[in-house]
Amino acid sequence: QSALTQPASVSGSPGQSITISCTGTSSDVGGYKYVSWYQQHPGKAPKLMIYDVSNRPSGVSNRFSGSKSGNTASLTISGLQAEDEADYYCSSYTSNSTYVFGTGTKVTVL
Amino acid sequence: QVQLQESGPGLVKPSETLSLTCTVSGGSISRYYWSWIRQPPGKGLDWIGYIYYSGSTNYNPSLKSRVTISKDTSKNQFSLKLSSVTAADTAVYYCARVQYDFFFEYWGQGTLVTVSS
Repeated sequence: QSALTQPASVSGSPGQSITISCTGTSSDVGGYKYVSWYQQHPGKAPKLMIYDVSNRPSGVSNRFSGSKSGNTASLTISGLQAEDEADYYCSSYTSNSTYVFGTGTKVTVL
Repeated sequence: QVQLQESGPGLVKPSETLSLTCTVSGGSISRYYWSWIRQPPGKGLDWIGYIYYSGSTNYNPSLKSRVTISKDTSKNQFSLKLSSVTAADTAVYYCARVQYDFFFEYWGQGTLVTVSS
């Protein structure tokens, strides 16, 4: 199974909105509502930010939102803050009952 | 609050078997799926496999021939064995609980395993 495709880096100024894409196939992203997003700060474990395409776990800021169209899912961070600077990974359940992660996106707050 | 903690040798020789254990507290492994994920230094996340509370397993096709995930319900632990390791298996290894909606809800802090002679 191939990793889902994400842009290597995305940047924005404080207060701006940015969007990270996650492109897969009809066997993963396009075939299921089971896309999740994770935030990872350096040296830390990943943290769940979005599940089931667009749901936020308790405690996650409503500045984070998710969506999906066809084989591409997206994570939008609005009102960008310095603390949002981190790596972000998408993940999808697949038709083989396995999981696949995205290639990862480094978010830089200018 | 569910907590997971990985443990095991931090250094493994090439061609040997990497063995890690994940100890779960604050919840029983007699529910849910339990997974292993790794991250080579400076690289992205790589799903290794999972074990269901029933004992059924599924693995990343690229690792399937070398991976075994098992559990010990009496100790509330699950384990990873990866055989015939090479330097390419050097990574931080994470254990995680998988929710029924197919996302990784809780993660361990991760443990670095280096493959070197």
